[in-house]
Amino acid sequence: GNSVTQMEGPVTLSEEAFLTINCTYTATGYPSLFWYVQYPGEGLQLLLKATKADDKGSNKGFEATYRKETTSFHLEKGSVQVSDSAVYFCALTGFQKLVFGTGTRLLVSP
Amino acid sequence: EPEVTQTPSHQVTQMGQEVILRCVPISNHLYFYWYRQILGQKVEFLVSFYNNEISEKSEIFDDQFSVERPDGSNFTLKIRSTKLEDSAMYFCASSLDREGYNEQFFGPGTRLTVL
Repeated sequence: GNSVTQMEGPVTLSEEAFLTINCTYTATGYPSLFWYVQYPGEGLQLLLKATKADDKGSNKGFEATYRKETTSFHLEKGSVQVSDSAVYFCALTGFQKLVFGTGTRLLVSP
Repeated sequence: EPEVTQTPSHQVTQMGQEVILRCVPISNHLYFYWYRQILGQKVEFLVSFYNNEISEKSEIFDDQFSVERPDGSNFTLKIRSTKLEDSAMYFCASSLDREGYNEQFFGPGTRLTVL
């Protein structure tokens, strides 16, 4: 079945550091790929998405490129801020339901 | 901006009791979902609902669970006889289509605590 694998957290960075959170997937067909973010005490918010191979999703300085050849959708940001501290979930969907990874907690210190 | 709302934000119940979690999806959306997140674990799909019937459910969604859209706005999840392991955050979501090209919008969640 479809599955998503994310790097273990927490990821601890200083402000303005470069961020990469790895995500790989296993799926039949051609799923859409998503990154969701969960801030402390809040629900899930869509951060970015890509619906086909080689698409790049971007939002709020975050980027991820749908790589079919490596079945990956790594999340990157050039310069993180303290306000980016949250849990980041990679997810895919091929039909209706979202399948989530385990989430990666990001902690950014001043 | 339209949003998905959920009530209550926190529900505490005794084991064996029935609970109903309520959600108001975005008004023009057609597909509705429930997910749950046990503390510290991944978000898991429970059920999807379209055209007044369940379109897909996971193995977690056993006979103790049911969903309903009792009117044109609410979407509910009922747990008939709660167990300790039902303690989790329950998220409702809605989307305009089912193919995943459009976003699933999530509510803020209901934290269910079963004692």
